[in-house]
Amino acid sequence: RKEVEQDPGPFNVPEGATVAFNCTYSNSASQSFFWYRQDCRKEPKLLMSVYSSGNEDGRFTAQLNRASQYISLLIRDSKLSDSATYLCVVSDDMRFGAGTRLTVKP
Amino acid sequence: DAGVIQSPRHEVTEMGQEVTLRCKPISGHDYLFWYRQTMMRGLELLIYFNNNVPIDDSGMPEDRFSAKMPNASFSTLKIQPSEPRDSAVYFCASSFATYNEQFFGPGTRLTVL
Repeated sequence: RKEVEQDPGPFNVPEGATVAFNCTYSNSASQSFFWYRQDCRKEPKLLMSVYSSGNEDGRFTAQLNRASQYISLLIRDSKLSDSATYLCVVSDDMRFGAGTRLTVKP
Repeated sequence: DAGVIQSPRHEVTEMGQEVTLRCKPISGHDYLFWYRQTMMRGLELLIYFNNNVPIDDSGMPEDRFSAKMPNASFSTLKIQPSEPRDSAVYFCASSFATYNEQFFGPGTRLTVL
């Protein structure tokens, strides 16, 4: 099965900061990508899908770069409640990244 | 819908004992996945089923692990005999297709002493 690599962090940022995570994948044929959020001692939950043209949901923006084989997640105006682990997924291969831990501090 | 249901939520057992984890997927989902999550290895796919048929079990660690899906609404993951290194959180997830969002159950936290 193909690999998905993700910077584990941790990222510690102040409230209001903009933070970005990247995730690289090795299978150039991959078509389906997601970002999940996992709170401490909870199950992963879908944050957003990643579309080829890029997509935005409020403060969150996801992008796909096929040429360089990575996906990214941008969080603007970060809130304390954004503190969690963010997992990227290459759904075709059912491979999850190791997760990037984000802590937003007052 | 209640979402994906897993039981038990916590299991503490002694090395050598048999452990059975249970999962009820969301009704209508054709795919069911079993994952294991540890700090060291992250979230690993163990096996997945399509329409109750095991499709890929290459992630199953060894013969001590087995999984079944006797019908569309029930699956089990069995570890026999269990070992301390099996201690992890085991998640079950289901989806309409492999390229769709997966819905995760709350997980079973397994501790093998």
